[in-house]
Amino acid sequence: DVKVTQSSRYLVKRTGEKVFLECVQDMDHENMFWYRQDPGLGLRLIYFSYDVKMKEKGDIPEGYSVSREKKERFSLILESASTNQTSMYLCASIWNTEAFFGQGTRLTVV
Amino acid sequence: GESVGLHLPTLSVQEGDNSIINCAYSNSASDYFIWYKQESGKGPQFIIDIRSNMDKRQGQRVTVLLNKTVKHLSLQIAATQPGDSAVYFCAERAGGAGNMLTFGGGTRLMVKP
Repeated sequence: DVKVTQSSRYLVKRTGEKVFLECVQDMDHENMFWYRQDPGLGLRLIYFSYDVKMKEKGDIPEGYSVSREKKERFSLILESASTNQTSMYLCASIWNTEAFFGQGTRLTVV
Repeated sequence: GESVGLHLPTLSVQEGDNSIINCAYSNSASDYFIWYKQESGKGPQFIIDIRSNMDKRQGQRVTVLLNKTVKHLSLQIAATQPGDSAVYFCAERAGGAGNMLTFGGGTRLMVKP
């Protein structure tokens, strides 16, 4: 089975901190995505990557950056966390036409 | 300022009844559609998919219908069970780099025993 692993289930960070959310997949997939999920808004795409060192902005990239130095790892970076970035963050890896999701990281910025 | 949370549309059904969850998609160029189920505390999980050259696809207890004329997708769950209680998302793929998926807002299904 494909496994997508996010490094933390729950995080609490202070306003202004730099935050790293890590995602690792074990099936050599090229395409990886970061979404945030907020009540009533569904899943919104932040960034995606279709190859090592390649990245594309999604619908809501402001306040975020990403890093894809190795194929299996896709990191989401909040350069200076703000309270409006409190959310559930989901990483996904796509193979062919199916998306596999991690379990999510619930980030609270205080 | 204070943020106001939005509420997901909710469908409440009796155990054993059939459920129909609807989704409107936005891009007429989308060629592939997926339904996901998300249980509390977990990431979304694939349920069933359909390509744009089809109008119906059946799985185990689930059927997806696609109406390209009105850009509408539905998920039918037969004999709904308590374990079906979850949030259901539709997603469309428009092709291009990255196989980018665009998700709908989600519908919460509540199954009453």
